[in-house]
Parts: sequence; C-alpha cells; structure tokens
Amino acid sequence: GAVVSQHPSWVICKSGTSVKIECRSLDFQATTMFWYRQFPKQSLMLMATSNEGSKATYEQGVEKDKFLINHASLTLSTLTVTSAHPEDSSFYICSATTIYRGGGELFFGEGSRLTVL
Amino acid sequence: KNQVEQSPQSLIILEGKNCTLQCNYTVSPFSNLRWYKQDTGRGPVSLTIMTFSENTKSNGRYTATLDADTKQSSLHITASQLSDSASYICVVIRDSWGKLQFGAGTQVVVTP
Repeated sequence: GAVVSQHPSWVICKSGTSVKIECRSLDFQATTMFWYRQFPKQSLMLMATSNEGSKATYEQGVEKDKFLINHASLTLSTLTVTSAHPEDSSFYICSATTIYRGGGELFFGEGSRLTVL
Repeated sequence: KNQVEQSPQSLIILEGKNCTLQCNYTVSPFSNLRWYKQDTGRGPVSLTIMTFSENTKSNGRYTATLDADTKQSSLHITASQLSDSASYICVVIRDSWGKLQFGAGTQVVVTP
C-alpha cells in the first residue's frame, strides 16, 4: 500500500527554538495533506489542511504563525513549530490523500513526537 | 453540528473473545466512513472504508457495518488477539474533498 513517511520520529528541543517536521508521500502524489496533533489518550485533532501550491487552511484555534505549514510539492509537506514551548509537546501526525486513487484514500504517517524542554 | 461519537470509551476483553465498537455520526453531507487502528505511539492504519451504499465490509477478523439511514456504524472484532490492543478510531469524511470528522476513539485492551 501507499506509504507516508514522517521525519523525525521524535525530537527533543529547548524552549524557544523552532522545529521542522517533514511529511513525504513515497509512492504517490498527495494533492492534500493534513496535519494533526494528538495528546496522550486522546484522538487526533486536525490542525490544518494543506493543498499543494497554496496556503494551508487552519482549524479554529490553531495559530498559523505558530505552526507554519508548507506544501511545496506533491510529495512533501512540512510543519514548523516556531518558538516552541513545553505546551507544544505532543505527537504530531500527518496524512496524505489524492483524489486520483478513488475517493480520497487517507494514508497516515507514523507520527513525530515532539518534546520541548 | 458535524459530530462523530464513539462508544464505549474503553474496553477490556479476554483473548479469543469477540467485541463490537460503536460509532454514531451526524456528519452531513456524507461521503464515506473509515475505521482506523492506532497502536500506541504509531500512526493510524486503515481497517475499512465504507461508502453510502455499503452495509458491511470485512478485513480479516475485523468487520465493519454501516447504516446510513440511522447514521450508525460498528466495528466487530472476532476472536480477539493480544495484538488487537489499540485505539480504534472512526472517521467520517464529510465530502469528496476529504473534510474529516474524527471520533474520540475506543481504547481496546485484550488480556491473556
């Protein structure tokens, strides 16, 4: 099946620094990618939807200047957590979809665990 | 309001037993409904995808049902195994462009 790769799998950073997480679709072109965050024992919370070549659409309550999303190509989207603080520590997951594979099948990455000290 | 509600919140079952998870939704317009399995610390993995016209779909020991009239879905796990311990998430796709509505998930623990 289709594969979505996230990198890094985990990252530890100091408060105030910025962290970039990559999401790549390895064997298909992803017209749309989604970014989620997940707190322990909770379900995924959609943060934003990004379409290749256009600005991301953020969900209500998600700061777009805090969580910068770039979807520069059909196989890569990046999430940058700017000036990270301990409350940004979370599990970040991306998913990718393409309308060309029959109805927008969703493929999830393995997630990236961010710990801000 | 577009919502997806799952029940129970958590479930403990003995290995080898069956169980059924519920998903009720009020999402409209409806495109399709998906069940995902998420192991702790991993990304979700697709189990089933069901469109409006499909009532039942199986994937190994997992069988999903959909009643689009009552807006209810269930996921049945047959002969549970320890590896079935995970969170099971119901996701309703709101339209063909993939607007997502997530359920909170059901945490399943299978014990020996």
